[in-house]
Amino acid sequence: DQQVKQNSPSLSVQEGRISILNCDYTNSMFDYFLWYKKYPAEGPTFLISISSIKDKNEDGRFTVFLNKSAKHLSLHIVPSQPGDSAVYFCAARITGANSKLTFGKGITLSVRP
Amino acid sequence: SQTIHQWPATLVQPVGSPLSLECTVEGTSNPNLYWYRQAAGRGLQLLFYSVGIGQISSEVPQNLSASRPQDRQFILSSKKLLLSDSGFYLCAWIRDGSYEQYFGPGTRLTVT
Repeated sequence: DQQVKQNSPSLSVQEGRISILNCDYTNSMFDYFLWYKKYPAEGPTFLISISSIKDKNEDGRFTVFLNKSAKHLSLHIVPSQPGDSAVYFCAARITGANSKLTFGKGITLSVRP
Repeated sequence: SQTIHQWPATLVQPVGSPLSLECTVEGTSNPNLYWYRQAAGRGLQLLFYSVGIGQISSEVPQNLSASRPQDRQFILSSKKLLLSDSGFYLCAWIRDGSYEQYFGPGTRLTVT
């Protein structure tokens, strides 16, 4: 049972344009959401996160939006750069549950020069 | 600053052989530790987590086991590897009370 879903396996955008990566979840107990970026043969690196009490969090070129009623979050990257090409994982956690994260399957983002 | 190490970086093992992957964290104490596996074309699957020395919780039944002999050491083992154990194994840690997990560089395991 996939509790965190990233239904689009890949996304290709032009350099300078906006990248929008989507993520849906089914467990209403999730109260904290994170995005990780992963290059091949490396461990994921933390990118940005959002608490369920907020609907937006911004850090430089990266913004995460949360729609609790729709159980949907999205990561916006603007402007996109070739170095952003990587796999992006959405993850969710329930506070107090031993800090365990539930990950989606990931989206491969390709930014074309 | 905190750092997390994993070794080996890559490993090729025959079916039926044993396995031992090691993860160590520096610069922190009493972290929560996690083992994940990323199989080809799949996401990150949590295998084990530990909240303290000797405390191991398993998330999925499988051919693997984990141990935490020291506060900052986490070991993933198998007595007999299967082909399906191939994948990219990641160790992660989190400071108690924090929100973000931090990952090690990973071990690429190929079972032949």
